[in-house]
Amino acid sequence: GAGVSQSPSNKVTEKGKDVELRCDPISGHTALYWYRQSLGQGLEFLIYFQGNSAPDKSGLPSDRFSAERTGGSVSTLTIQRTQQEDSAVYLCASSAISAETQYFGPGTRLLVL
Amino acid sequence: EDQVTQSPEALRLQEGESSSLNCSYTVSGLRGLFWYRQDPGKGPEFLFTLYSAGEEKEKERLKATLTKKESFLHITAPKPEDSATYLCAVQSSMEYGNKLVFGAGTILRVKS
Repeated sequence: GAGVSQSPSNKVTEKGKDVELRCDPISGHTALYWYRQSLGQGLEFLIYFQGNSAPDKSGLPSDRFSAERTGGSVSTLTIQRTQQEDSAVYLCASSAISAETQYFGPGTRLLVL
Repeated sequence: EDQVTQSPEALRLQEGESSSLNCSYTVSGLRGLFWYRQDPGKGPEFLFTLYSAGEEKEKERLKATLTKKESFLHITAPKPEDSATYLCAVQSSMEYGNKLVFGAGTILRVKS
């Protein structure tokens, strides 16, 4: 079956611009996660959605970062007023239910000039 | 704070030369320990989940084991196609949200 998909694959933007990254989870998966992978660093958790429950936003690095999940499926991660330190690979994962195995998408490579 | 440390950072093997990767962890109540494989430019690919000390899982040339403090990923007679970054992650039963806490990974290169 289809896995997690993310778009765009690559995004180059100028410092100060806003960007939106999209994630389509595996059909039927109720839990959705965003992680960030920076050069020289491991994957770090950003945000978690589970059904209609309040999202866990504890990993968002600043208030420039936000995310939403519409209709319990597609999610969008928005970074406002991008900074060069936001350059990273943004990975989305989904799981059938919370606490089960997370399956990752291919990621969006963001470069802020 | 939950932490994961992987060693070595990089490992070079000859084809057929077996070895092990280490993942040491501290976690407030282990719900699960996960191993992923990541190829350059791609997202992590799920390999194994281990839930309790003493558990072992195998897949082709890979075998994962778990103790109360660490996990090993044993690679038997590796092939060049096993070259990748191997990531270890833990999930705490005490945390809301079930996030994964990852180690920095081990970069494996297998030469023919």
